Amino acid sequence: GAGVSQSPSNKVTEKGKDVELRCDPISGHTALYWYRQSLGQGLEFLIYFQGNSAPDKSGLPSDRFSAERTGGSVSTLTIQRTQQEDSAVYLCASGLGEGKQYFGPGTRLTVT
Amino acid sequence: GENVEQHPSTLSVQEGDSAVIKCTYSDSASNYFPWYKQELGKGPQLIIDIRSNVGEKKDQRIAVTLNKTAKHFSLHITETQPEDSAVYFCAASMGTGRRALTFGSGTRLQVQP
Repeated sequence: GAGVSQSPSNKVTEKGKDVELRCDPISGHTALYWYRQSLGQGLEFLIYFQGNSAPDKSGLPSDRFSAERTGGSVSTLTIQRTQQEDSAVYLCASGLGEGKQYFGPGTRLTVT
Repeated sequence: GENVEQHPSTLSVQEGDSAVIKCTYSDSASNYFPWYKQELGKGPQLIIDIRSNVGEKKDQRIAVTLNKTAKHFSLHITETQPEDSAVYFCAASMGTGRRALTFGSGTRLQVQP
């Protein structure tokens, strides 16, 4: 079946602009996660949605970062007033909330 | 919070040899330990996982062992092939409560033909 999809695959933006990154999880998955991977680094947790529960936002690095999950499916990660240090690959994963997480291909964000 | 340490950071083996990657974790409440393989330009791919009620799990050439007392777990790849070359990440999470994964820093495995 279809895996997790993310769009765009690449995004170049100017410092100070806002960006929106989209994630389409695997159909039927109730849990959705966003992670960030800086060049040559491990993955850093950002935010976690599980069903209708309040999201776990404990990993968001600043109030410029926010995310929504509409209708329990598609999610959008928004970064306002982008900074150069926001440049990274943003990865989305989905699962059933029991542990296993399946990742999408990521969005490579470059802030110039 | 949880902290996961992974080593080595790079590993080079000859085709057909075995490769072992080790991770330690800090939070005794963690009970789920997956391993991911990431190829260049792609997202991480789940290759094997283990839960805390099991000491070892095997899937063809890949095995994972868990020592809860010592809080460490390892990935073993036997009969390595060039297509095993990638970056491997270990991770840990609690199966209840905060289920986000805490990742190790990754191991770049190179299998020499």
